[in-house]
Amino acid sequence: DIQVTQSPSSLSASVGDTITITCRASQTITNHLNWYQQKPGKAPKLLIFAISFLQSGVPPRFSGSGSGTDFTLTISSLQAEDLGTYYCQQSYSIPYTFGQGTKVQIK
Amino acid sequence: VQLVESGGGLVQPGGSLRLSCATSGFTFSSYEMNWVRQAPGKGLEWISYISSSGTTIYYADSVKGRFTISRDNAKNSLFLEMSSLRAEDTAVYYCARDFSRITYWGQGSLVTVSS
Repeated sequence: DIQVTQSPSSLSASVGDTITITCRASQTITNHLNWYQQKPGKAPKLLIFAISFLQSGVPPRFSGSGSGTDFTLTISSLQAEDLGTYYCQQSYSIPYTFGQGTKVQIK
Repeated sequence: VQLVESGGGLVQPGGSLRLSCATSGFTFSSYEMNWVRQAPGKGLEWISYISSSGTTIYYADSVKGRFTISRDNAKNSLFLEMSSLRAEDTAVYYCARDFSRITYWGQGSLVTVSS
């Protein structure tokens, strides 16, 4: 199975900050990398697919980049409603594995 | 698009449970479906996939041989039959649409395995 490792496991930032979450796969996954946001008590929501494509309705302050095995989710101008846990997921090889999550808190 | 899970609850170790997912707002028979679970305070784990026609099925190793995914395209419904349940199967189980990227999720159904 492909292992997916996120860092950091948690972070705290202020409204208006730019934050970055990284995701590393144990082998190349080409462009098969998705990002999800999960707010407390809610189901996950797709933010970004295929590394950098924004899902419909997602604000443009969210962006994704990377290639091969290393990927990044960036949130520019962090908003209070962005608190929650963010997960990356590889969809290159079954089982489609998720990272362990990054909890984002607002200072 | 709506996905509504039901059938969760408390079950003893070794017991069985059947989850259902009622769908609406899209042509169910055209879409791949999955079950994804989340143990309390933990991350997401994909556990099973079924193709739109039901002919292709995959399972995570953690549930293979114990869980069975199925669908009824005439009733727009997805199912997960769970048997030989263990404490480590305790989780919120999400019904989820699409496979290469999950675009829609249900609200989840809590399954608690405990004596």
